[in-house]
Amino acid sequence: SQQGEEDPQALSIQEGENATMNCSYKTSINNLQWYRQNSGRGLVHLILIRSNEREKHSGRLRVTLDTSKKSSSLLITASRAADTASYFCATPEILTGGGNKLTFGTGTQLKVEL
Amino acid sequence: DGGITQSPKYLFRKEGQNVTLSCEQNLNHDAMYWYRQDPGQGLRLIYYSQIVNDFQKGDIAEGYSVSREKKESFPLTVTSAQKNPTAFYLCASSLGWRSYNSPLHFGNGTRLTVT
Repeated sequence: SQQGEEDPQALSIQEGENATMNCSYKTSINNLQWYRQNSGRGLVHLILIRSNEREKHSGRLRVTLDTSKKSSSLLITASRAADTASYFCATPEILTGGGNKLTFGTGTQLKVEL
Repeated sequence: DGGITQSPKYLFRKEGQNVTLSCEQNLNHDAMYWYRQDPGQGLRLIYYSQIVNDFQKGDIAEGYSVSREKKESFPLTVTSAQKNPTAFYLCASSLGWRSYNSPLHFGNGTRLTVT
């Protein structure tokens, strides 16, 4: 089952603009993670925000988390053509004995045009 | 450099044949995972393993099998029982039980086409 749902499904912007994508989830979480996937490649971890954090920054990335609304957003500032990729949110299910398995959303396809 | 290697990158098979996808990691990670991705969609978990000689079914395990005889290796066999095997298969690993907040590290995938 899909725990996370991203919105919008696709986003096209001009270089230099900001890109915002949203993720909603259904159950309580310990943390929420964002990943990036370039076409035909594997996913790359971008940022993890814990449930007791409201906002986190990493370079041009800003992630917010609202556990009361079960939603998160990823903001990419001053976008570049190289940011063109699909972006996924993922939520963990903690496993017996430790560890976790991630459930991924359907992703937002971002296209940054020159 | 540490990482995850999936091979081959592209694989073509005839319907009715079993096929095994390779996944090797040198990150010293305990946990390994197999996901399937269909065009324009998210990832769905096939199987995962938290430790050597142990693995669990994910959300879509039917028609697939795995083994975890070594920490570094987690091969996935797509059997003839899998009704729609054509997809992009991604292998991942993480610290697993050592840190439930650890992110996943992914390989670059194997694109399987069955005709």
